Amino acid sequence: QSVLTQPPSVSGAPGQRVTISCTGSSSNIGAGYDVQWYQQLLGTAPKLLIYGNSNRPSGAPDRFSGSKSGTSASLAITGLQAEDEAEYYCQSYDSSLSSYVFGTGTKVTVL
Amino acid sequence: EVQLLESGGGLVQPGGSLRLSCAASGFTFNNYAMSWVRQAPGKGLEWVSAISGGVGSTYYADSVKGRFTISSDNSKNTLYLQMNSLRAEDTAVYYCAKYTLSSSSQYYFDYWGQGILVTVSS
Repeated sequence: QSVLTQPPSVSGAPGQRVTISCTGSSSNIGAGYDVQWYQQLLGTAPKLLIYGNSNRPSGAPDRFSGSKSGTSASLAITGLQAEDEAEYYCQSYDSSLSSYVFGTGTKVTVL
Repeated sequence: EVQLLESGGGLVQPGGSLRLSCAASGFTFNNYAMSWVRQAPGKGLEWVSAISGGVGSTYYADSVKGRFTISSDNSKNTLYLQMNSLRAEDTAVYYCAKYTLSSSSQYYFDYWGQGILVTVSS
């Protein structure tokens, strides 16, 4: 059972802005551990989208942005595109579990 | 270009063993920590194990501690996961992932292999 909670699904029309929340606790996000976001297209391996809460790796589109506040983090997709339809996972570290932890995952659907 | 290629998956009976391999290229293997992450069919991601670069310290999720062993062969640029006493709940796609230390001294998984399926069933 994941310690990071995400909404099961979000949807939006092309061009719209959508956000995905990632809610943790005082032993992970709230303890100051960074949050990463990964995109998993259907049938493929996860791909790093955001690291260190708000940094984009080389090649990640700038329509993706991340933020963190307190015990939660968010991923925003501005200008939603059809190719953004995928599963998105947040990830952090949990000091109580001494383990890297992933969110429950959010399916983004482009209407 | 970083490439990670897993192999060694397949069907194994409960209680059996399997060894996964991950051949790495495109970076200086022994300078980086590596990890295994798995994904059960239709489920989310679960961190399994990690090994640090250099000294080779190892770390495990509670769900596999005592049953799985992570190791690496720097001469072959290869990561391994020895899985013993396998259970049905270990059935998953296993991903090899390189992980990198950020400027805030925290790790993140920056490159992933394509994954290999392990099925534990009688």
